[in-house]
Amino acid sequence: AAGVIQSPRHLIKEKRETATLKCYPIPRHDTVYWYQQGPGQDPQFLISFYEKMQSDKGSIPDRFSAQQFSDYHSELNMSSLELGDSALYFCASSLDFYNEQFFGPGTRLTVL
Amino acid sequence: GENVEQHPSTLSVQEGDSAVIKCTYSDSASNYFPWYKQELGKGPQLIIDIRSNVGEKKDQRIAVTLNKTAKHFSLHITETQPEDSAVYFCAAPFSSNTGKLIFGQGTTLQVKP
Repeated sequence: AAGVIQSPRHLIKEKRETATLKCYPIPRHDTVYWYQQGPGQDPQFLISFYEKMQSDKGSIPDRFSAQQFSDYHSELNMSSLELGDSALYFCASSLDFYNEQFFGPGTRLTVL
Repeated sequence: GENVEQHPSTLSVQEGDSAVIKCTYSDSASNYFPWYKQELGKGPQLIIDIRSNVGEKKDQRIAVTLNKTAKHFSLHITETQPEDSAVYFCAAPFSSNTGKLIFGQGTTLQVKP
């Protein structure tokens, strides 16, 4: 069965640089969620989209922005990167708000 | 506020024994409770979930029970195997009706051969 695809899988950036993470949801899933997971931590909700509109927002820094495109893929843009942004970033997709969320393999971001 | 408490943080069992992980949640409006298994370097994998209109759900060696009055739910793994070793997270959606999940702190399960 098709799964959530995330790219890149690994990303190394310098402080103050910009990063773009991409997420391709499971076919027919129009709801996308982004989560951040620090070392030894549980995933923390960042932002979500439903039918290409932002549906909810968590503790996402103003330096981060995201959008969902017409083909339902989503991109998380992160600017002015800080050391503390180093983490695993997961995308999850679902049919809608009331159905199961399936997670992608994640993007490991390292900020040096 | 939004909160999910998970216990224990670590659990070590012998192969073949049972393992139980418990979670409590704060939002009485929550109506969906998934459990995820996360192996090292991988994304969380949904292993079982339960909705508020049932008290128990089973899928082979795993089961989840829900007590809405007490606002807690538990994961039960029977006949544990070494491949069950992983970090397990409970989660619940909160208030916003947008599906946002709040996760428990995670339980590292080690199954000793």
